[in-house]
Amino acid sequence: QVQLQESGPGLVKPSETLSLTCTVSGGSVSSAHYWSWIRQPPGKGLEWIGYIYYSGSTNYNPSLKRRVTISVDTSKNQFSLKLTSVTAADTAVYYCARGLLGTSAYPLGYWGQGTLVTVPS
Amino acid sequence: SSELTQDPAVSVALGQTVRITCQGDSLRTYFASWYQQKPGQAPVLVIYGKTNRPSGIPDRFSGSSSGNTASLTITGAQAEDEADYYCNSWDSSGNHLVFGGGTKLTVL
Repeated sequence: QVQLQESGPGLVKPSETLSLTCTVSGGSVSSAHYWSWIRQPPGKGLEWIGYIYYSGSTNYNPSLKRRVTISVDTSKNQFSLKLTSVTAADTAVYYCARGLLGTSAYPLGYWGQGTLVTVPS
Repeated sequence: SSELTQDPAVSVALGQTVRITCQGDSLRTYFASWYQQKPGQAPVLVIYGKTNRPSGIPDRFSGSSSGNTASLTITGAQAEDEADYYCNSWDSSGNHLVFGGGTKLTVL
C-alpha cells in the first residue's frame, strides 16, 4: 500500500520560499504515476497546485505557475514543492497525493496526512 | 471562483438518500471524482470514473453524470457520512485539474 508523508517547515516568513517534501513508501516515484500537490487554506476548500509525472514533465495551476516548482528525487524516493515569494494568502494545509491509476493525474487515490504551513501577515 | 460548482451545504435524515451535485462545462467531457473529508483529516477518494468505488468504500456511495452535472449519491446515509465532499476533474480547457468548492453534508 502506497503511503505518502509531507515534511517541511511549519512557518515561513513573507517573501521567502516555501519548501516541502513528500516521502513515498510502499511504492516508487519512478513508477508511471502522477505525483501531485494540493493545498487547503484554513476553513476553505481544496486547491490543486500541480503535478509531476514520473518522466519529469510538470503541470501547474495557472494561478500559481509563476511561483511553483515541483521536482522528483528518485534517489530518496521523494518529490518536492517549492513556492516562492509567499504571502499570508499561502497559509494552508499542504497535501501530497498520487493518482490512483497510472493513466491520469486524477483521481487522486493516495494522500498524505497534510502539513500546515503558516505565513504570518 | 471554481470551474466546478457545488452547493455549499446539504442535509439528510439518518437512513435517507442524499444527492450531492457538481456542475461544470468540463463534466460534459470528463468524469468527476469525489472525495470525502472529515475534520482534521486528509480527503479520501470515494467515487471515480463512471461509478467506481475504491476498495473499502461502502456500496451506499454511487456516482452518476448527466450533461454538465455529476452527482454523488449516498443511499441510506449514516452518521459517519457527515463530512465535506469535493468533486474534482479537469478544467474546461482539459489542461489543469480543479476542485469544486465543496459541500458540507449534515446527517440529521
